[in-house]
Amino acid sequence: EVQLVQSGGGVVRPGGSLRLSCVASGFTFDYYGMSWVRQAPGRGLEWVSGINWNGESTDYADSVKGRFTISRDNAKNSLYLQMNSLRADDTAFYYCARRLRYCSGGSCYSVYFFDYWGQGTLVTVSS
Amino acid sequence: DIVMTQSPDSLPVSLGERATINCKSSQSVLSSSNSKNYLVWYQQKPGQPPKLLIYWASTRESGVPDRFSGSGSGTDFTLTISSLQAEDVALYYCQQYYSSPFTFGGGTKVEIK
Repeated sequence: EVQLVQSGGGVVRPGGSLRLSCVASGFTFDYYGMSWVRQAPGRGLEWVSGINWNGESTDYADSVKGRFTISRDNAKNSLYLQMNSLRADDTAFYYCARRLRYCSGGSCYSVYFFDYWGQGTLVTVSS
Repeated sequence: DIVMTQSPDSLPVSLGERATINCKSSQSVLSSSNSKNYLVWYQQKPGQPPKLLIYWASTRESGVPDRFSGSGSGTDFTLTISSLQAEDVALYYCQQYYSSPFTFGGGTKVEIK
């Protein structure tokens, strides 16, 4: 069974830092790209960041670029999001999510939609 | 950025009736290289993460009931629930994965009339 178990949320003051973690099980972690998606309470979904299978390629939403860093440790089946210079508008539930991987014509591809999600962790930025 | 616009915001439907949700993208999400539409639909229930329903605009995810279907191409897409069940009450989101940033629609709340 595929599982993504998240940890690391909490309350932090504006300008502070927080690191989110996501531990994967039930699949070969280093075959898959991963992402973080957030949802402010009562609001819609916003893609935050993504990483490829080996960590060499990353991508960010403009709203977090330069402040957040996505990384992974395939030996630990883990995904991370380091969040610095946090602002009130970063307050949200943060989800880790597995990017879909499909194979066609002898090649495999990772696309940016999400077939499994973590349970979510709440980050609250408040003074 | 590709802007995704969903309508309506809220959709009251009687049990057993059809529910239709629309999603429009500000530019085409149809790839000329593989003729696939890079459009996905999710269902989200309160307190839960989103659940994948439909991808490539019309491919149903394994285990999703066949009353859910997706259609459309280019910039205009539709999610249809052919016969609404009580367990289908939820928020529904479309998302484009054609280009970064990978944007979501604002969501449609399906409820029982």
